[in-house]
Amino acid sequence: GESVGLHLPTLSVQEGDNSIINCAYSNSASDYFIWYKQESGKGPQFIIDIRSNMDKRQGQRVTVLLNKTVKHLSLQIAATQPGDSAVYFCAAPYRRTGNQFYFGTGTSLTVIP
Amino acid sequence: DTEVTQTPKHLVMGMTNKKSLKCEQHMGHRAMYWYKQKAKKPPELMFVYSYEKLSINESVPSRFSPECPNSSLLNLHLHALQPEDSALYLCASSQGGASGNTGELFFGEGSRLTVL
Repeated sequence: GESVGLHLPTLSVQEGDNSIINCAYSNSASDYFIWYKQESGKGPQFIIDIRSNMDKRQGQRVTVLLNKTVKHLSLQIAATQPGDSAVYFCAAPYRRTGNQFYFGTGTSLTVIP
Repeated sequence: DTEVTQTPKHLVMGMTNKKSLKCEQHMGHRAMYWYKQKAKKPPELMFVYSYEKLSINESVPSRFSPECPNSSLLNLHLHALQPEDSALYLCASSQGGASGNTGELFFGEGSRLTVL
């Protein structure tokens, strides 16, 4: 299957600092990417998405950057808060016979108060 | 209503039991998904239904049997499971069908299954 992976499995940041979570993908045909946040005991929650015709997209305190040349995307969280502590996954559809979404390995973010 | 509702939240079953997991969405989404998630791992795709028809089966063992009775409901029937099948089972839905532009997946909170 296609590989959607993350560089750092764990990340600890001080409250108020910015966080950067990275994701690499292998399928150059991937044209849509989503970042999900999963808190302990809960299902994944949508954070932000980006299509391949964009390099950058901003949301509330979050920015996703897409570099198609090196097949890399990142999630930047500004002024990280304790409530941001969670596991973050990138996901992309693998357009074979349908839009199966595959997830990266995940990064566990811990915010230190 | 932007929720995907899964029941039960927790399920403990023996290897000879037959049980079912249920999922419901009322967002008018045309695609529904089952994912399996082990601890500290990403969700793994199991099945995709598009317009109430099974479109993807990711080589899932036959002891897992999905069913889509209508566009709002998705079931996962469980029979003769193994202890290694213990996991969090996540249901998701997306607006588009399973081909073309689906948009984002909306997830339920999951059903935590323990097989003894």
